Amino acid sequence: KNEVEQSPQNLTAQEGEFITINCSYSVGISALHWLQQHPGGGIVSLFMLSSGKKKHGRLIATINIQEKHSSLHITASHPRDSAVYICAVSPTQETSGSRLTFGEGTQLTVNP
Amino acid sequence: NAGVMQNPRHLVRRRGQEARLRCSPMKGHSHVYWYRQLPEEGLKFMVYLQKENIIDESGMPKERFSAEFPKEGPSILRIQQVVRGDSAAYFCASSPGPGLTYGYTFGSGTRLTVV
Repeated sequence: KNEVEQSPQNLTAQEGEFITINCSYSVGISALHWLQQHPGGGIVSLFMLSSGKKKHGRLIATINIQEKHSSLHITASHPRDSAVYICAVSPTQETSGSRLTFGEGTQLTVNP
Repeated sequence: NAGVMQNPRHLVRRRGQEARLRCSPMKGHSHVYWYRQLPEEGLKFMVYLQKENIIDESGMPKERFSAEFPKEGPSILRIQQVVRGDSAAYFCASSPGPGLTYGYTFGSGTRLTVV
């Protein structure tokens, strides 16, 4: 079983819909990251959080440390939001304290 | 601020050749991380370096792979005697201090194809 599990694996939405992507992890963590990867492109860091909630534009990330769960929400989705969204954690047991463990990613497609 | 620069973007090598992947971190960043993304798989940590030091190489295959981050110049990931299974996207990330504290900035990746 992966230490970081994302759901759903694939998500198709219509423009304007509210989208939720979920991430569950099984290890103690120091921080959780949400990343965005466009086809053939690089990776963009969206959020790093260790508690509570963060918001940036139409994106909202929440984390529940007790339940070991995080969600990424996209409000008023747009076709340009189509990408792979990746959850990653910094496990507390990592001796270097800095390496990331990744989920498999969620492929989001937003249709016009 | 040019961000994290990786080159080449695409690299084709024949089996048995050497592949050299370069990563120039953001200005002021002295911590570099390499990750590999195999086809249809998630990202996996390979190695974490600071200037002239390897901090954590627990994700590196034991043979054929090496990484360095010299005092001057980019970080280099070297793969000797490449095989088809090395075909993947290799991403570099950098941070001004431990990523745990400062977060990470990723490059656009190098897509290695071994033919």
